Amino acid sequence: GDSVTQMEGPVTLSEEAFLTINCTYTATGYPSLFWYVQYPGEGLQLLLKATKADDKGSNKGFEATYRKETTSFHLEKGSVQVSDSAVYFCALSAPDSNYQLIWGAGTKLIIKP
Amino acid sequence: KAGVTQTPRYLIKTRGQQVTLSCSPISGHRSVSWYQQTPGQGLQFLFEYFSETQRNKGNFPGRFSGRQFSNSRSEMNVSTLELGDSALYLCASSSKPAGVDGYTFGSGTRLTVV
Repeated sequence: GDSVTQMEGPVTLSEEAFLTINCTYTATGYPSLFWYVQYPGEGLQLLLKATKADDKGSNKGFEATYRKETTSFHLEKGSVQVSDSAVYFCALSAPDSNYQLIWGAGTKLIIKP
Repeated sequence: KAGVTQTPRYLIKTRGQQVTLSCSPISGHRSVSWYQQTPGQGLQFLFEYFSETQRNKGNFPGRFSGRQFSNSRSEMNVSTLELGDSALYLCASSSKPAGVDGYTFGSGTRLTVV
């Protein structure tokens, strides 16, 4: 079945460091891919999405490119801030799962000043 | 534009009791999904309603049920509560089924079963 695998956390970085959070997926066909973020004590927020191969989603300085050949959707940011500390979830939506979101386990990001 | 509103924010119940959680989606959104979030299991899908019909259901026992009203507001009910039901329950709404364009989540209801 469809699945999403994220790198385990926590990921700890210093402020202004470069961020990569890896996400790979397994799905038939062409799923849509999403990154959601959950700040402490809150619900999830859609960060960015991509619906077809080679699409790049971007928002708030974060980017992710839909790579069909490597079945990946890695999240990147050039210079992280303390306020980026949160849990990041990768997810996919595909026909085989009736378009219901399949979630990764989440990656906790800690940014130190 | 108001976001997704979940009530109550916090709830403490005793084993064996039942509980009802409420979710008001963003105006115009007809899809409402419910998730259970725990440290051990992560995000687990409960069910989705679209235009008052249950469109999809996760692998939870029959003690978990839900419904959606004509104004798209949704309720989730858990009967005969167990300690393992302690979790953050998240509601998410979208204009299209299954959040294909992305969900908007509420802040959740933190349920503690003692």
